Amino acid sequence: DIVLTQSPVLAVSLGQRATISCRASQSVSISSINLMHWYQQKPGQQPKLLIYRASNLASGIPARFSGSGSGTDFTLTIDPVQADDIAAYYCQQSRESPDTFGAGTKLELK
Amino acid sequence: QVSLKESGPGILQPFQTLSLTCSFSGFSLGTSNMGVGWIRQTSGKGLEYLATIWWDDDKYFNPSLNSRLTVSKDTSNNQAFLKITSVDTADTGTYYCTQIRRRVHGWFAYWGQGTLVTVSS
Repeated sequence: DIVLTQSPVLAVSLGQRATISCRASQSVSISSINLMHWYQQKPGQQPKLLIYRASNLASGIPARFSGSGSGTDFTLTIDPVQADDIAAYYCQQSRESPDTFGAGTKLELK
Repeated sequence: QVSLKESGPGILQPFQTLSLTCSFSGFSLGTSNMGVGWIRQTSGKGLEYLATIWWDDDKYFNPSLNSRLTVSKDTSNNQAFLKITSVDTADTGTYYCTQIRRRVHGWFAYWGQGTLVTVSS
């Protein structure tokens, strides 16, 4: 299975930029299609799709969220961070079955 | 507007069979390329993909649990079902059903609120 590695915690100040990374154990790209997706999970809630195929904003997601990357290294950026963005963020790959998730990055306030 | 909701027993004992129902609205499992996926979140493994049932009744299972999983659907009543046999404490967690709209290389577009399952003797 493809292993996705995320840093456990990222501390950020409100109004600043947050950069959350996800590294895959092997490439999750096929040609120019990057099969990495990002989810936000607030305490007590279900995960919510933020970004699909590395850089495409899901419906209803604010433009302060963006995604980038290819191959094995991917980034979710939140700029500027708002109080409502304090949550856990997970990456997921669908390049190879079974789909796998990262362990999540908890975004905290400095 | 897509909505999904899981329901289940809450608590069960080791070696029993877990049966979960996903009731959904806003889409149909009779629509081409539509699927319902099951994912769980446990303290031991975090988010773990379990299985998917597709509109044409095709199924995919995570090989790590393959022999214990069954998925089915009731298209006319907008429901999908997951069964896990011979549960143990490691199966304790929150179980989610999700909508998937691409058969290959897809993502989990919408999630239910989840249902907590506790396995305890």
